[in-house]
Amino acid sequence: DIVMTQSPDSLAVSLGERATINCKSSQSLLYTSSSKTHLAWYQLRPGQPPKLLIYWASIRESGVPDRFSGSGSGTDFTLTISSLQAEDVALYFCQQYSTTPRTFGQGTRVEI
Amino acid sequence: QVQLQESGPGLVKPSETLSLTCIVSGGTMSSHYWSWIRQPPGKGLEWMGYVSDSGNTNYNSSLKSRITISVDTSKRHFSLKLMSVVAADAAVYYCARDSRFYGLDVWGQGTTVIVS
Repeated sequence: DIVMTQSPDSLAVSLGERATINCKSSQSLLYTSSSKTHLAWYQLRPGQPPKLLIYWASIRESGVPDRFSGSGSGTDFTLTISSLQAEDVALYFCQQYSTTPRTFGQGTRVEI
Repeated sequence: QVQLQESGPGLVKPSETLSLTCIVSGGTMSSHYWSWIRQPPGKGLEWMGYVSDSGNTNYNSSLKSRITISVDTSKRHFSLKLMSVVAADAAVYYCARDSRFYGLDVWGQGTTVIVS
């Protein structure tokens, strides 16, 4: 199974400041048949279902604010919130969908 | 626009079978995988498995002996059965669409299952 490791486990950021979350996979997530990297980021707010933010490591899902951005390739990835807003307080998870079983990182809690 | 809605008992006795259904409204069930994911209290997300529209399944190996996911495209739903539940199976259970190329792009609201 591909192991996904996020860091840090939690971080506190001032409103308007940048938040950076890292995710490392135990194998490359490059899906050779599509030449795409099958890495997604999700936001989980209390009482709400997870929301897809980023797919293919760097493509924002429709409707996601542009303060959210994803980067990285191969095995190392980053989710950046460029200017933290109060509504961004949540758990964030990376997930690989390159192969089965699909696996998630352990999550990163973002607080103000 | 595709929407998903979980249904099923919120309370299951230890050693019994947890059964949940996810209703799919809107869109097509073809070309996607239909997934179950859970989040135990205070923990992260655990992928449980998925079923394709043709009925092919793939399960988390940690659950393989207890889990069955099935699909009925004519009724536009897919289901989860987890046998011999224990306290550690208490969680919020989500159904989700695995679009295969874009990740888990549609989620149900989630349903809380207590084992007691």
